[in-house]
Amino acid sequence: NAGVTQTPKFQVLKTGQSMTLQCAQDMNHNSMYWYRQDPGMGLRLIYYSASEGTTDKGEVPNGYNVSRLNKREFSLRLESAAPSQTSVYFCASSRQADSYNEQFFGPGTRLTVL
Amino acid sequence: AQKITQTQPGMFVQEKEAVTLDCTYDTSDPSYGLFWYKQPSSGEMIFLIYQGSYDQQNATEGRYSLNFQKARKSANLVISASQLGDSAMYFCAMREPIFTDSWGKLQFGAGTQVVVTP
Repeated sequence: NAGVTQTPKFQVLKTGQSMTLQCAQDMNHNSMYWYRQDPGMGLRLIYYSASEGTTDKGEVPNGYNVSRLNKREFSLRLESAAPSQTSVYFCASSRQADSYNEQFFGPGTRLTVL
Repeated sequence: AQKITQTQPGMFVQEKEAVTLDCTYDTSDPSYGLFWYKQPSSGEMIFLIYQGSYDQQNATEGRYSLNFQKARKSANLVISASQLGDSAMYFCAMREPIFTDSWGKLQFGAGTQVVVTP
């Protein structure tokens, strides 16, 4: 039981390059989330998927796209990376998208855009 | 508007002492959840404790307890008998119901860095 896994752990991109961050959970959770963490700002929600087949924008969606491939997997795509997207990206999942379900986090992906 | 406020950017605590981390929140909905997460230097986010807005008693999980003062909109985390392994960043977070304008998102404070000294 691995919980939430993310790949890659580290990535360096040049401005304008694209990449996809992968996330998978094996807890049979319905809801999945992508956050970014910048120094001094806590975590901010980029996109979330309340259930398989649905995705919604979070607080900072610009420059990103997501795909809920199936119940287990939720990917985040940067189409044209910018230095402002240098951050640590966390994927999370929860049983349901309601107020009393804790979210379980993956180990994070540290992305640097030059 | 800032929903979660953690006013202590960093604090030192001696081993075996208790420490209180402050968290205040802002919501107009009567139904919400409050969470505390720990982030050690390795980077992972570890869930510590949860308090529901309708819970009558303060939540406790081992050495962690949540001092929930609903009228003051505060949800302070108390760590008793601090250990060196407690050195980490601690985040308070709130979740409002799906039907509110936050759409059930988990909203985080800026965090408090705790350093436990021998």
